[in-house]
Amino acid sequence: ETGVTQTPRHLVMGMTNKKSLKCEQHLGHNAMYWYKQSAKKPLELMFVYSLEERVENNSVPSRFSPECPNSSHLFLHLHTLQPEDSALYLCASSQDPGPRDTGELFFGEGSRLTVL
Amino acid sequence: GQSLEQPSEVTAVEGAIVQINCTYQTSGFYGLSWYQQHDGGAPTFLSYNALDGLEETGRFSSFLSRSDSYGYLLLQELQMKDSASYFCAVSPFPVTGTALIFGKGTTLSVSS
Repeated sequence: ETGVTQTPRHLVMGMTNKKSLKCEQHLGHNAMYWYKQSAKKPLELMFVYSLEERVENNSVPSRFSPECPNSSHLFLHLHTLQPEDSALYLCASSQDPGPRDTGELFFGEGSRLTVL
Repeated sequence: GQSLEQPSEVTAVEGAIVQINCTYQTSGFYGLSWYQQHDGGAPTFLSYNALDGLEETGRFSSFLSRSDSYGYLLLQELQMKDSASYFCAVSPFPVTGTALIFGKGTTLSVSS
């Protein structure tokens, strides 16, 4: 496989459930990101990891918990979510954080989350 | 803070030329990027301007003027498949952030 792969593509969960989103990149990149995309809103940055270390947490509620066990994998653990958390969650990677030199992020197809 | 403004919608016909503007307020950034996203798909990278001026990639060109806090994406010889959302984004200086900040996006509709 190549690129950035996200699973599951679709997820429906109740407010009391616990679930996880998974992201895997096969590009040898050092930085990985979680973005949230809601209708009529810009892509909102949630978390940034560089070499498996979290470098930015963009005021995200604690019901979202990221995990980066190695430079190829990124998880977003979800618990006690609210209906307003329903959105498309996009994972991305880049060679270096920013990315400053190229401006190029590689995105996965996203996980469409619905919270009932 | 950082903010980027784009028109919400643009319509055009096949074969035409369309320009999508992006104005921004930011304390400093490395460059301006453009992304395309089709319905149900992932955003894909189109271009990056680190310096002022025009960058050309096939039918698409992008322009940046730091003195005017302004950039644009120019799409020529429009095709139906160009119907998508287009986002501008800035790479901020580390004091502000470590990842791209995106505008709200412009929905381009191309008709025959």
